[in-house]
Amino acid sequence: QLQLQESGPGLVKPSETLSLTCAVSGGSISRSGYYWDWIRQPPGKGLEWIGSVYYSGSTFYNPSLKSRVTISVDTSKNQFSLKLSSVTAADTAVYYCARRVRDIVTTTQYYFDHWGQGTLVIVSS
Amino acid sequence: DIQMTQSPSSLSASVGDGVTITCRASQTISSYLNWYQQKPGKAPKLLIYGASSLQSGVPSRFSGSGSGTDFTLTISSLQPEDFATYYCQQSYSTPWTFGQGTKVETK
Repeated sequence: QLQLQESGPGLVKPSETLSLTCAVSGGSISRSGYYWDWIRQPPGKGLEWIGSVYYSGSTFYNPSLKSRVTISVDTSKNQFSLKLSSVTAADTAVYYCARRVRDIVTTTQYYFDHWGQGTLVIVSS
Repeated sequence: DIQMTQSPSSLSASVGDGVTITCRASQTISSYLNWYQQKPGKAPKLLIYGASSLQSGVPSRFSGSGSGTDFTLTISSLQPEDFATYYCQQSYSTPWTFGQGTKVETK
């Protein structure tokens, strides 16, 4: 069974870089048709898509965060990572990694079918 | 960006009730609409994809409908484990965006 597990510091100082890793187990990150995404949720608020990476290294970012975000993949370790620079208190959130699937029937539908448990990152001095 | 608006923001219901949640997109998104359920302290769980396709393992009391800009999630007979927050999400174009959520509470 596929499992995703986020890891990284739970506290980051303002203006510094937030770094998280998502370890994937129970399946290969290199499998065609799957994308690996980061999504965040500020406390008590809704969900915001941050960006995604394909096993080839191709990336897709939310324009609202693009200037500060880098997502990368390490196929040898079956994991992918998020870096968010110049963080402020507004970046305090639970960060989720998730697998995005391209539906094999339609080939145009995408959905998030597996999620990590989430990790809370607080930005504070 | 495509804005997703859910209504209501919250509702109160009893076990056995039928529940309907609405999601409206700011532009047409065909059937590129997914629904998720989130319980406190947990990650979202996929319920419906492609507006009306039930994810494997999800009870048949959940159903989705709609196309274009207006979509609904229906729970035919609310069960105790269904009290949660529900989110719609468009997969028509990036950036993928979510509705603000609908919290289903016990009456």
